[in-house]
Amino acid sequence: EPEVTQTPSHQVTQMGQEVILRCVPISNHLYFYWYRQILGQKVEFLVSFYNNEISEKSEIFDDQFSVERPDGSNFTLKIRSTKLEDSAMYFCASSDRNEQFFGPGTRLTVL
Amino acid sequence: DQQVKQNSPSLSVQEGRISILNCDYTNSMFDYFLWYKKYPAEGPTFLISISSIKDKNEDGRFTVFLNKSAKHLSLHIVPSQPGDSAVYFCAASAFNAGNMLTFGGGTRLMVKP
Repeated sequence: EPEVTQTPSHQVTQMGQEVILRCVPISNHLYFYWYRQILGQKVEFLVSFYNNEISEKSEIFDDQFSVERPDGSNFTLKIRSTKLEDSAMYFCASSDRNEQFFGPGTRLTVL
Repeated sequence: DQQVKQNSPSLSVQEGRISILNCDYTNSMFDYFLWYKKYPAEGPTFLISISSIKDKNEDGRFTVFLNKSAKHLSLHIVPSQPGDSAVYFCAASAFNAGNMLTFGGGTRLMVKP
């Protein structure tokens, strides 16, 4: 069964450093998403991406964040200068219609 | 932001009995609703969904009911199995908002053998 994959599973970084989180969506899906879950809080929407451009973004998704689909398979989330409060689980998801399928997540720890 | 709420943080059920998980929403623009199951250190797993034009959708042991007038949905699991023990999230989306999902806070279901 096709699934969304994410790498790395855990990323530790120093405050102020750039990180890139990688995702491989399900191959025939056209819509891609990033969500995050801070420990003890709800899963929060960050950004959606369709047809090589951002279709929606939340208030969390400020200028420090960017997304890219550099080739036909990968979908990346870049955080330019990480802050302590960026520590969270980051989930990638993809869909072809309404049902979104999630990857296993990347745990980002900012020290 | 409390657009989607799951008021019960936890639920304990005996194996073989029915589990009923509840979810309330406030945004009348939501037109699609989903339930996800999540184990620790894993991503949410899609379970079942329902469009706002329906009031019920069934898939095996899982049934979702939607009451639009009350802005309430519920997930029924019959019969419950120990492997169903997990955190269950309801989520909602609106067609005019790029299908972004708004999640509830989750309900931890424990099914006792």
